[in-house]
Amino acid sequence: ILNVEQSPQSLHVQEGDSTNFTCSFPSSNFYALHWYRWETAKSPEALFVMTLNGDEKKKGRISATLNTKEGYSYLYIKGSQPEDSATYLCAPYSGNTPLVFGKGTRLSVIA
Amino acid sequence: DVKVTQSSRYLVKRTGEKVFLECVQDMDHENMFWYRQDPGLGLRLIYFSYDVKMKEKGDIPEGYSVSREKKERFSLILESASTNQTSMYLCASSFRRGYNEQFFGPGTRLTVL
Repeated sequence: ILNVEQSPQSLHVQEGDSTNFTCSFPSSNFYALHWYRWETAKSPEALFVMTLNGDEKKKGRISATLNTKEGYSYLYIKGSQPEDSATYLCAPYSGNTPLVFGKGTRLSVIA
Repeated sequence: DVKVTQSSRYLVKRTGEKVFLECVQDMDHENMFWYRQDPGLGLRLIYFSYDVKMKEKGDIPEGYSVSREKKERFSLILESASTNQTSMYLCASSFRRGYNEQFFGPGTRLTVL
């Protein structure tokens, strides 16, 4: 089973703060890296699917970068809002197995 | 707009019962997946299917089986439900293996008494 580490496990920030968290994965046999947002009482929803080293994706105030050579991805949220409160999951795809999800980073944004 | 539906949001069953969880997607996706989510353990893959009549074991297949007779439908079966199968079950589907996002259903909260 692929070893996927997400840090921190949880995070509490004030409204308006910017924040970031990390996803680490094995750099060998890399095909793609997924980020999902999972709000309480809802289903996980995809944020980004990234494939290229150095790739940077953006959706509103959320952006992500990818380093496939060293096996990590950062997710950034600029000016956090209460509606950003959720668990953020990353999942690498290595080609020979389905996605392996990390345990996630739980973000709480305090108004 | 991709839609993945699951047959029940909440289900309560007794130990030893046979339980069927149904998942249907309407976007002609080849790939379908069943996960369970438990506090502190994240999303764990139970079974997946890359095509009709095809099934593969995930990381935690023990105590479960699946059926995929039609492309749009993927069923998870608990042959004899046990209390340690109390969990949230999520179904997902995707177009291309690993390169396209997975779309998740709303989940079924199963309680086994």
